[in-house]
Amino acid sequence: GESVGLHLPTLSVQEGDNSIINCAYSNSASDYFIWYKQESGKGPQFIIDIRSNMDKRQGQRVTVLLNKTVKHLSLQIAATQPGDSAVYFCAENRNFGNEKLTFGTGTRLTIIP
Amino acid sequence: EAGVVQSPRYKIIEKKQPVAFWCNPISGHNTLYWYRQNLGQGPELLIRYENEEAVDDSQLPKDRFSAERLKGVDSTLKIQPAELGDSAVYLCASSLAPNQPQHFGDGTRLSIL
Repeated sequence: GESVGLHLPTLSVQEGDNSIINCAYSNSASDYFIWYKQESGKGPQFIIDIRSNMDKRQGQRVTVLLNKTVKHLSLQIAATQPGDSAVYFCAENRNFGNEKLTFGTGTRLTIIP
Repeated sequence: EAGVVQSPRYKIIEKKQPVAFWCNPISGHNTLYWYRQNLGQGPELLIRYENEEAVDDSQLPKDRFSAERLKGVDSTLKIQPAELGDSAVYLCASSLAPNQPQHFGDGTRLSIL
């Protein structure tokens, strides 16, 4: 069935290195994607979004890449810091005319000091 | 700007008791969402409001769950009676419009004894 999934449930990265979190989606008609960061005991925090008419979008230390050919989404975090440790979710907008975000399970990113 | 505010932060009740959650969205955000997040999973949509109208409640278990947004601003989500399986974090989110980034509150963690 259709799903939003992540390749790796956990990821450990040395502080200062770059990290890449991957996400696969199965609905080629999805047109809007968002990355969220969730720290323990808090709600998901919006990081960056991208629409299907773009391949790449950059924010502060973060870059989202969208490959529609293979239905793959990635989040790159540059120069990781301890505060980047969290669970990261990708979400896709699947229902058109009745907007509905569907979240993946999440990847836990741990920054090693 | 102030974020989405939810209360209470924690709630512990015995099964079969009623419980209610309250959400104050970001000022000016017409779209409001209630999600449920089980441990280790991404949020799942329960209901979406456009102003005071519930436009998507297909995932809301209507036998025991109800929600309202009477004046198109604050919203409440109620469970009556609560069951053991209702233990989860209940998140509220808001956005300017349906296909715009959703911003989440920190949720209410519900524990059913």
